[in-house]
Amino acid sequence: DSGVTQTPKHLITATGQRVTLRCSPRSGDLSVYWYQQSLDQGLQFLIQYYNGEERAKGNILERFSAQQFPDLHSELNLSSLELGDSALYFCASSVGQGPLYEQYFGPGTRLTVT
Amino acid sequence: DAKTTQPPSMDCAEGRAANLPCNHSTISGNEYVYWYRQIHSQGPQYIIHGLKNNETNEMASLIITEDRKSSTLILPHATLRDTAVYYCIVRVGGSQGNLIFGKGTKLSVKP
Repeated sequence: DSGVTQTPKHLITATGQRVTLRCSPRSGDLSVYWYQQSLDQGLQFLIQYYNGEERAKGNILERFSAQQFPDLHSELNLSSLELGDSALYFCASSVGQGPLYEQYFGPGTRLTVT
Repeated sequence: DAKTTQPPSMDCAEGRAANLPCNHSTISGNEYVYWYRQIHSQGPQYIIHGLKNNETNEMASLIITEDRKSSTLILPHATLRDTAVYYCIVRVGGSQGNLIFGKGTKLSVKP
């Protein structure tokens, strides 16, 4: 158990819909990262927050957005869903910023868009 | 950007050492080598990282060649639970140096 929690574990929804994925980081961790893992693209970095502020963006679509709240939990919002958005979405946290800080990954949310 | 080359798959007998190679011939002088692994559909797990010197922790050892163009992750006594995809990461992107995962090596530990 990494200490990072993600809800829900599974989500099935239809194309065009909007969903929210939630992540609670490890106690004391200020950075939260979101990753998408699909069969054809592998593990892709989406976005990072540090202490409530957006710090880095990766391959995140404009239909996706995220935020980190004052209690440090984070939400990833996916809208106008397409079949290709079906994937595992992982959240990770670390105490600081940058790759030298070990990232602890949550168990992931499996999103299926039908 | 430094990139890595890893074999797509490897087998290892249970109880033996697993040696996972990684080539990173374009690595820059200040770029670290990071290793993570992902057991089937679970979140990736940090293993170890290093810059120049060899590193060891409770999970593994990391051997980096003197010219830093390649490295080897060593799991000294592989168990069935070590079956996973192992990612060697050198390339980081963005202002915060975010990890960029490649395809990794699928290590299968067999009884």
